[in-house]
Amino acid sequence: DVKVTQSSRYLVKRTGEKVFLECVQDMDHENMFWYRQDPGLGLRLIYFSYDVKMKEKGDIPEGYSVSREKKERFSLILESASTNQTSMYLCASSQVRAETQYFGPGTRLLVL
Amino acid sequence: DQQVKQNSPSLSVQEGRISILNCDYTNSMFDYFLWYKKYPAEGPTFLISISSIKDKNEDGRFTVFLNKSAKHLSLHIVPSQPGDSAVYFCAEHYFGNEKLTFGTGTRLTIIP
Repeated sequence: DVKVTQSSRYLVKRTGEKVFLECVQDMDHENMFWYRQDPGLGLRLIYFSYDVKMKEKGDIPEGYSVSREKKERFSLILESASTNQTSMYLCASSQVRAETQYFGPGTRLLVL
Repeated sequence: DQQVKQNSPSLSVQEGRISILNCDYTNSMFDYFLWYKKYPAEGPTFLISISSIKDKNEDGRFTVFLNKSAKHLSLHIVPSQPGDSAVYFCAEHYFGNEKLTFGTGTRLTIIP
């Protein structure tokens, strides 16, 4: 079974703080993704990575950066958290050219 | 511009009856559509998919129908059970593209 884990289930941060969200997958998947989920907006892709040290912007990359130093780990970084980044953050992974993505449990981030 | 639309934000169905969730799309160059199910405070889980070369795929209580001329797909759940209460997302996958494009989701509530 594919397992995708995220470092925190809930986080509370202050405006202007630097925030790190970590994701680890154990299935040797090449692709990893970061989404945010907001009511009425569905899942929106922030960034994805198709290989170590490789990344591509998704639909809403502004205010975010990512890091993939190892194949199994993909980090999302909020350089300076803002209240409009309060959201549910979801990490996913998939094999290359595979349509099915497997999701972690999510991190609910509240920025005060 | 939303390429995958789920026009019903919510749906309530009596237990034991059929639930029908709908999804419309604009771009015909997909190879798969997928349905994901999401409980609160959990990540989405893959439910069922359909290839562009088929018009129906069935898995137990879940059947997905694809109408390419109408650019419409639907997920049928028969019979509906209380555990089916969740948010359902449809997602589009293009051949050669590692990403999924998600709809905005439909919240299904099964009434006992």
